[in-house]
Amino acid sequence: DSGVTQTPKHLITATGQRVTLRCSPRSGDLSVYWYQQSLDQGLQFLIQYYNGEERAKGNILERFSAQQFPDLHSELNLSSLELGDSALYFCASSSLESTDTQYFGPGTRLTVL
Amino acid sequence: AQTVTQSQPEMSVQEAETVTLSCTYDTSENNYYLFWYKQPPSRQMILVIRQEAYKQQNATENRFSVNFQKAAKSFSLKISDSQLGDTAMYFCAFMKRSGNTPLVFGKGTRLSVIA
Repeated sequence: DSGVTQTPKHLITATGQRVTLRCSPRSGDLSVYWYQQSLDQGLQFLIQYYNGEERAKGNILERFSAQQFPDLHSELNLSSLELGDSALYFCASSSLESTDTQYFGPGTRLTVL
Repeated sequence: AQTVTQSQPEMSVQEAETVTLSCTYDTSENNYYLFWYKQPPSRQMILVIRQEAYKQQNATENRFSVNFQKAAKSFSLKISDSQLGDTAMYFCAFMKRSGNTPLVFGKGTRLSVIA
């Protein structure tokens, strides 16, 4: 158990819909990262937040957005969903005070029908 | 931009034997970390081992060890005494050592341990 939690574990929805994925980092970690794992694209970095502020952006679509709240949990919002958004979405956290190692949550499996 | 290449899409090994997974990377950075993550059928991403580029000594974690060749930009993972529970996808990953930066992953190597 990495200490990072993600909800829900599975999500099935239809095209055009909007969903929210939630992540709680390890206790004391200030940084949260979101990654997408799909069969054709592999593991890709989406976005990073540190202590409530956006720090880095990767290959994140304009239909996707995220935020980190004062209690440090983060949410990834996916809207106008397409079939190609079906993937495993991981959250990872790390502490600036420690070793920079990122610890991953169990992931949310999103299926868009 | 950094790239990570894992040239072996699939490998297999007999239980109790030793196997080595290859990884090469390309970067102009001098300070960075390298990681191996394991993803078993449960899909959880599990940290296996970490190497700091400024350390010449190769990292070791129980049955897992790395061969880090900085000049060659090579970072291979050796698994000794392979166990059935080692069956998983293994991802090599790169991260700049500038504090809280994203991981760049290779495509992965699927390892099957055969009884």
